[in-house]
Amino acid sequence: NAGVTQTPKFQVLKTGQSMTLQCAQDMNHNSMYWYRQDPGMGLRLIYYSASEGTTDKGEVPNGYNVSRLNKREFSLRLESAAPSQTSVYFCATDRGLGYTFGSGTRLTVV
Amino acid sequence: DAKTTQPTSMDCAEGRAANLPCNHSTISGNEYVYWYRQIHSQGPQYIIHGLKNNETNEMASLIITEDRKSSTLILPHATLRDTAVYYCIGVNAGGTSYGKLTFGQGTILTVHP
Repeated sequence: NAGVTQTPKFQVLKTGQSMTLQCAQDMNHNSMYWYRQDPGMGLRLIYYSASEGTTDKGEVPNGYNVSRLNKREFSLRLESAAPSQTSVYFCATDRGLGYTFGSGTRLTVV
Repeated sequence: DAKTTQPTSMDCAEGRAANLPCNHSTISGNEYVYWYRQIHSQGPQYIIHGLKNNETNEMASLIITEDRKSSTLILPHATLRDTAVYYCIGVNAGGTSYGKLTFGQGTILTVHP
């Protein structure tokens, strides 16, 4: 089925550990996005990629890096995880007529 | 992007129409009004969007006032599965915003049996 796939679905990290959240879309869209959602809050944009080979900062980029590996894949990396990065992370893609979101990665940093 | 204002929460009886208001008095001429919803623990789901005209699809209807300062999302026959947080978002189709979504707090819609 067409859509956005995120891996892993759940992850627990210790403070200072690193990890990469993976996102892949099979909708052939140019733009992709990473959001985080803290409990009881709306989504906040971390980074986005308008097209393959380009990335730009969103509202809350500190502590994260991204890679647009190809048109399908957009990864989010935490180099040194902090408890403040405990959140649910959503990847999304857009063809200009509405976003399609993945099911999210629940990350806990202890 | 326009700042949007929505009620914090609303209730609706199952089978009745749910009318969710949104105020976007600062919306600019090239900003679309988008509606998304988020069912607990899931990723947001696109519902509908519009610019000036009223829109309808298989999920909902969107009524935009003539001055475009407010809109209403209508779920014609609400079911228990429509219980979710509903977000009204102004989206600039061009320029530096490049369609990025800015989510507010949304409206928690609870549909009761």
